[in-house]
Amino acid sequence: SFVLTQPPSVSVAPGKTARITCGENNIGSQSVHWYQQKPGQAPVLVIYYDSDRPSGIPERFSGSNSGNTATLTISRVEAGDEADYYCQVWDSSSDHPFGGGTKLTVL
Amino acid sequence: QVHLVQSGAEVKKPGASVKVSCKASGYTLFSNAIHWVRQAPGQRPEWMGWINAGNGNTKYSQKFQGRVTITRDTSATTAYMELYSLRSEDTAVYYCASGGDDYGAYVLGYWGQGTLVTVSS
Repeated sequence: SFVLTQPPSVSVAPGKTARITCGENNIGSQSVHWYQQKPGQAPVLVIYYDSDRPSGIPERFSGSNSGNTATLTISRVEAGDEADYYCQVWDSSSDHPFGGGTKLTVL
Repeated sequence: QVHLVQSGAEVKKPGASVKVSCKASGYTLFSNAIHWVRQAPGQRPEWMGWINAGNGNTKYSQKFQGRVTITRDTSATTAYMELYSLRSEDTAVYYCASGGDDYGAYVLGYWGQGTLVTVSS
């Protein structure tokens, strides 16, 4: 089964690029979704099927998935991007686990 | 516009059960899957199970198998999640989520607002 590893925190200055990773052996063979969650709110889908972006999500958000690491990239980071980000692998044999979450801090 | 509206907060004693509802609007629940996800305070989300609102088929996480039941009403506008034999560790926010017609069954593209369930003696 999958145990998804994310860095607990990532800090980035406004206007710079944030990269949040999600690691597991051979995760590149699985479908990965990414969610943004702000305090007291429900998660919001920001990337699905590794790299697809829902309508309404800025183009600054992008995703990739290869080998043992999936990555969420946020370009030109804004203060409003500050949130917790969770990856999720869609795998029925491991009950679709979520990563431990990464707190993005905009300096 | 897909909208999922959940029932209100609940306080339950250990050993009791809780039933949370999720009403869909803006799309036809009937042709979609509804998932339930819970999140304990400060913890990662945890997938609990899902229902095919069209045929009523369900699948549950191994962790909750035997302790959870997911159903939908015959008009297929509302889904329900009932959790039994509650313990303090079940204190969490419970969410329903769906991919709707935009994302399909395997993407949690739309979420309810969450229902806080507190288990305390």
